[in-house]
Amino acid sequence: GDSVTQMEGPVTLSEEAFLTINCTYTATGYPSLFWYVQYPGEGLQLLLKATKADDKGSNKGFEATYRKETTSFHLEKGSVQVSDSAVYFCALHLSGYSTLTFGKGTMLLVSP
Amino acid sequence: NAGVTQTPKFRILKIGQSMTLQCTQDMNHNYMYWYRQDPGMGLKLIYYSVGAGITDKGEVPNGYNVSRSTTEDFPLRLELAAPSQTSVYFCASSPGGAGYTFGSGTRLTVV
Repeated sequence: GDSVTQMEGPVTLSEEAFLTINCTYTATGYPSLFWYVQYPGEGLQLLLKATKADDKGSNKGFEATYRKETTSFHLEKGSVQVSDSAVYFCALHLSGYSTLTFGKGTMLLVSP
Repeated sequence: NAGVTQTPKFRILKIGQSMTLQCTQDMNHNYMYWYRQDPGMGLKLIYYSVGAGITDKGEVPNGYNVSRSTTEDFPLRLELAAPSQTSVYFCASSPGGAGYTFGSGTRLTVV
């Protein structure tokens, strides 16, 4: 079946460090890919998305490129801030399906 | 623009009690979902709906029921609450199966 695999957390970084959170997927078709962010005590919010191979999604300094050849959608940010501390979820959607498939989430902790 | 509204935000139930978690969206989305999130864990789909009058089970439906009489509302009913249902519950909606908008969650404790 379709699935999303994320790196285990927590990922612990100092402010201004470079961030990579790995995400790979298995899907029977050509999915759309998403990153959601969950700040402490809140619901998930859409961070960025990409709908086809080689597309790059970007928002708030975060980027992710849809790599069909490696079935990956890694999240990157050049310089993290304390306010980026949150749980990040990678997800996929296949056309015609009613639901998203989520990864298990990766917690990011950024210290000053 | 309210988006997805969940009530209550917090609730403590005794074992065996029942309650309804409310979820309302004002975006005219056809698709609505209920997830639970246990501490330190990812999301598990309980039930979902693709339109008024249509509901379907997710991966963890036991102990829960839903109804969808209108496009806006998708309440989740817990009958005979058990400690295993202690969790944070999220409602979400989408226009077509992706691009979810989530509510802020209901934190439920069963004692």
